Order: sequence, then structure tokens, then C-alpha cells
Amino acid sequence: QKEVEQNSGPLSVPEGAIASLNCTYSDRGSQSFFWYRQYSGKSPELIMFIYSNGDKEDGRFTAQLNKASQYVSLLIRDSQPSDSATYLCAVLVNSGYALNFGKGTSLLVTP
Amino acid sequence: ETGVTQSPTHLIKTRGQQVTLRCSSQSGHNTVSWYQQALGQGPQFIFQYYREEENGRGNFPPRFSGLQFPNYSSELNVNALELDDSALYLCASSTGASGGNTIYFGEGSWLTVV
Repeated sequence: QKEVEQNSGPLSVPEGAIASLNCTYSDRGSQSFFWYRQYSGKSPELIMFIYSNGDKEDGRFTAQLNKASQYVSLLIRDSQPSDSATYLCAVLVNSGYALNFGKGTSLLVTP
Repeated sequence: ETGVTQSPTHLIKTRGQQVTLRCSSQSGHNTVSWYQQALGQGPQFIFQYYREEENGRGNFPPRFSGLQFPNYSSELNVNALELDDSALYLCASSTGASGGNTIYFGEGSWLTVV
């Protein structure tokens, strides 16, 4: 079973700070990487995906991918209390039809 | 709003019973995947349907089965329910057999087995 690892947290950051969420994966052949946000009792909501090495920005969110280090991260700038949720990292497996998820990192943004 | 709808939203079943969960995919999406999310865990892939055929399967026993219909809607059936089947069941739709770059989840069906 290919692994996707995330720190379970909770990661606590003050409002307005940058939250940094990290994810490592074991399948070197992985090509597509996704970040989902999941509020308690709700389903995962797609934040963004990334394919290429480097950074991809979307509003307050930046995904960073380093395939050599098998590492993907999500930065949230100007964190808001409404960002408090569990963040799931997912990797599209080689076959291309299934997402392999980490267990998620719980983020708490304190006012 | 992802355009992926699931029903029912909540249900309670007794161990040994059977359950059917339903999913309508986003317009234009011909691929439907099902995931099981236990409390405190990430979603686990059950299987995927593409153009009415099972396209891939995760590590779930045969009592988990599914269907996809010509309109791309889908069902997940679970027979002989066990207590460990209690979870959030998620349907995800996308384009193409390889998943594509937009994989959206529905609101999920919460199943409790007692």
C-alpha cells in the first residue's frame, strides 16, 4: 500500500498568520496531488491540485510540490478562523483512477 | 456546490442487513468513485465506475458492490453489514477513466450500523 503521510496536528496558528501544512508520499511515480478541506461533519471540499514541481497559487492558498523529495505542502496566508478544519492531502495513484489520502491535519486558527 | 448529490444523507441499519446508497454525478462527468471514511481517517477508495463498467477497486470485500447507470448516476450496495461499516460514504465524480484534474465529492451518506 502506497503511503501518504500527514501530521495529525492540531496545528494552531493565530489569525493573520501563515499556516503551513505538509504531506509526504511514498509512490515515486505519483503525478497528481490534491488538497481538500473538510469541516467537521462535512464532506471534503477541493481546494486545489498540482502536477508540476514548484508553486501554484490560488488566492490565499499556495501549493508547493517537490517530486524529488516526494513532498507536497499547502500554505494558507492571512489565516482566518473560518480556515479551521481538517486538511486532507491526496495523491492520484499510478493507475490514475483512485485517490490515496492521508489521515489529514487538523488546523485551528485562533482569533 | 459541487453538483454531486447523494442520498440518503443519514441512515441507521442493523448488523447483517443490506444497504443501497445513491449518487448523481456532476453534469458531464462520466466517472464515479466511491470512498469510505471512518471517523478520524482519510477516505479509502472502494471502487470506480467509468461508462457503466467497474474501472478499479480498492481493498474492500465483494459484499461491497456497485452499479453505474447510462445517465452516469451510481449506486453502492453493501451486503451483510458489519459494525465496522459505520462510516461516511462519499461519492466523487470526475471526467475520464483516469480521474482528471477535478475530482469533486458529494455531501456524503452517514451510515451507522448497530
